[in-house]
Amino acid sequence: KAGVTQTPRYLIKTRGQQVTLSCSPISGHRSVSWYQQTPGQGLQFLFEYFSETQRNKGNFPGRFSGRQFSNSRSEMNVSTLELGDSALYLCASSRESKQFFGPGTRLTVL
Amino acid sequence: ILNVEQSPQSLHVQEGDSTNFTCSFPSSNFYALHWYRWETAKSPEALFVMTLNGDEKKKGRISATLNTKEGYSYLYIKGSQPEDSATYLCAFIHQGGTSYGKLTFGQGTILTVHP
Repeated sequence: KAGVTQTPRYLIKTRGQQVTLSCSPISGHRSVSWYQQTPGQGLQFLFEYFSETQRNKGNFPGRFSGRQFSNSRSEMNVSTLELGDSALYLCASSRESKQFFGPGTRLTVL
Repeated sequence: ILNVEQSPQSLHVQEGDSTNFTCSFPSSNFYALHWYRWETAKSPEALFVMTLNGDEKKKGRISATLNTKEGYSYLYIKGSQPEDSATYLCAFIHQGGTSYGKLTFGQGTILTVHP
């Protein structure tokens, strides 16, 4: 069974731009969660989508948004990028109790 | 704000040593506690999902215990090997969310096993 895939793996943007990251969950998994990992803050929950609906939201500004499609694939969008948005963005799909993580997208904001 | 704390922050051991780490979490509204192993350049890998007070889980040389009343979990590695070198993360789910998708992570314990 294919694992969670994320594209792109690496991205360089400049301040003020916007970015869209994509996550394809494991087949059959309907829940997709997004996390941000920075050296100072560790892994922080951004949001969770289930059956195309946002089910949970973390404590991030409105510049961070997401959506989920009918095939469970999910995208997250960050608008008006700031230097502090440089991070590893991980998505995870889950079914029942376990979460399975993708390899992440490394975003660098210059 | 849910606070999940792990100790120690980092640990260096010799091959063959046994070691353990601690994860502390809020004892109220407990739903589940996850342990993950995260090796460099790889994805976090689920080790255990623990839900009941007194739970003990084992996977090869790694085991974990759970005390929900006092809010802590221990992860043990017996006879550490260099391939055990990784960051070990615990993550808490509180009952209010009742969603497997929202994990609150600790900062992790970085384990280095020297040959």
